[in-house]
Amino acid sequence: EPEVTQTPSHQVTQMGQEVILRCVPISNHLYFYWYRQILGQKVEFLVSFYNNEISEKSEIFDDQFSVERPDGSNFTLKIRSTKLEDSAMYFCASAYTDTQYFGPGTRLTVL
Amino acid sequence: GENVEQHPSTLSVQEGDSAVIKCTYSDSASNYFPWYKQELGKGPQLIIDIRSNVGEKKDQRIAVTLNKTAKHFSLHITETQPEDSAVYFCAASTYSNDYKLSFGAGTTVTVRA
Repeated sequence: EPEVTQTPSHQVTQMGQEVILRCVPISNHLYFYWYRQILGQKVEFLVSFYNNEISEKSEIFDDQFSVERPDGSNFTLKIRSTKLEDSAMYFCASAYTDTQYFGPGTRLTVL
Repeated sequence: GENVEQHPSTLSVQEGDSAVIKCTYSDSASNYFPWYKQELGKGPQLIIDIRSNVGEKKDQRIAVTLNKTAKHFSLHITETQPEDSAVYFCAASTYSNDYKLSFGAGTTVTVRA
């Protein structure tokens, strides 16, 4: 069964450093998403990506964040200058229509 | 934007009993309502979903009901087993927002053996 994969599983970085989180969505899917979950809290929408462009983004997704789908298979989330409050689980999801399938997540720890 | 409320936040049931989790939503345009199960350290796993043209859907021990008029939907797990212990999230979305999901706060279900 196809699944969404994410790397790395855990990323530790110093405040102010750039990080890139990587995702391989399910191959025939059209919609791609990033969500985050701060420990013990609900899953929050960050950004959706469709037809090679951002279709919607939340207030959290400010100028420090960017997404790319560079080669038709990978989908990346970049945080340019990490802050302590960026520490969270980041989940990638993909969908053909409305049903989203989530990856296992990347735990980002900013020190 | 959409606001999804979920209750209860924790639920402890005896093995074999039923568990019910309720969610309400605010945006009448929402038309897709999935439920996810999240185990410790893992990503949300879709367990069942319902669309607005249907009032009820069942898959083995899991069922979901939707009341569009009242804007609430519920997850029912019957004959609970220890492996049902997890955090359950409801969510809502609509096509007009590219199906972005608005999640409830989650329910921690503990099934006592």
